[in-house]
Order: sequence, then C-alpha cells, then structure tokens
Amino acid sequence: SQKIEQNSEVLNIQEGKTATLTCNYTNYSPAYLQWYRQDPGRGPVFLLLIRENEKEKRKERLKVTFDTTLKQSLFHITASQPADSATYLCALDPPSGGYNKLIFGAGTRLAVHP
Amino acid sequence: SQTIHQWPATLVQPVGSPLSLECTVEGTSNPNLYWYRQAAGRGLQLLFYSVGIGQISSEVPQNLSASRPQDRQFILSSKKLLLSDSGFYLCAWSPSHRNYGYTFGSGTRLTVV
Repeated sequence: SQKIEQNSEVLNIQEGKTATLTCNYTNYSPAYLQWYRQDPGRGPVFLLLIRENEKEKRKERLKVTFDTTLKQSLFHITASQPADSATYLCALDPPSGGYNKLIFGAGTRLAVHP
Repeated sequence: SQTIHQWPATLVQPVGSPLSLECTVEGTSNPNLYWYRQAAGRGLQLLFYSVGIGQISSEVPQNLSASRPQDRQFILSSKKLLLSDSGFYLCAWSPSHRNYGYTFGSGTRLTVV
C-alpha cells in the first residue's frame, strides 16, 4: 500500500526566511499530489494541487514541486510569517479508478518565530 | 459558494452509548463525501466515502457505520462506542472529478469515557 512520509519533527524557522517541507512516498506514483494546512483543532484547508506532469506550481508565497523520479514533493513558503505557523499535510490519490480518495501524511508542524 | 457544516464540535460519550455525527454540504450537488478520523499526532485515516445517495464504501472495518440519506447529507454512526473510538472526526466533500482539493468541515472532537 502507499506510504507517505513527512518529517514529524517541528520545523523552526525565523520570520522572513523560506520554509521547505518534504513529502516522500513509496510504491506507485500518484496522478495528483495535494498540500493542506491544518491549524490546531480545525479541519485541514486545501492549498495547492500539482499533477504528475507538472514540475512546479506556485500560488502567492507558496511553491510546490513534484519529482516523480525521487518520489518526492517539496513545499516552500517564502518570506514566512508567524501566521504561517501550522501543520502542513501532504496527500496523494491512489490509483483506484475515478474516485478522488486521498491518502494523507501525518503532517509537519511549522513554527515561524518573530 | 459551497459550505460544509459538521456538528457537534465536541462530544463526550460513555462507553457503550450510541453515536450520530452529521455533516451537510450546501451550494453543490452530487458531491463526493468522506469521513476521516485523526488520532492525536497522526495522519487522517479514511473511514468511509460516498459517491452518491445510499452508496457507501468502508475503508477500515470497525465499530462505525455511515449513511447518506440525501445527496448532501452524510452521517457517521455507532451503536456502541468503544474507548478506541475517541478522536477527531472530520467530514469533507469534493467534486466528483479527481483533480480537486477537499473541503473539510470544522471537525468533531469525540471523547469516549
């Protein structure tokens, strides 16, 4: 079955720096990979989706890369702010037909310090 | 615009009691609906998903069941709760296409005592 690995340690960075989070997966390569933000006690919020034939996707200060050879996605937040502090989840779709049935990683907690 | 409502926000139930969590979606039709559970410090575990009224697929055999009596209503139930049912339950919807993100509800924190 598909396994998703995200660094379970807290990523501490200084305000204004670029935060880089990693998502590694095993077995098959998904057609889509998604990133979500989750604040404590809240439901995840969708941020970005990247397709297998896209190398990079940007949205404002966010950038996602997708390397199907390395089986890895990187999530970057440039000019990070304390308000970016949250847990970021990586999610993949399994090759199970037409259903959008995502598998989520456990997430990486980002702490941006002033 | 589309919205998703999930209730209650918190729930404390004794072992052996029944459970009913409800989720409704507004502003869209024929959505895919999902129930996830998140244990502390863990990833989201898919419990059930539905692609239409009365169509439920179970991902993990357990003490829970799901129903979809209306197009935009998804209910998670249990006849007798176990301690291990405690967790953060999240409902989500997505369009039927594969290349869209999920929209999650605000979640229900269930504590079984």
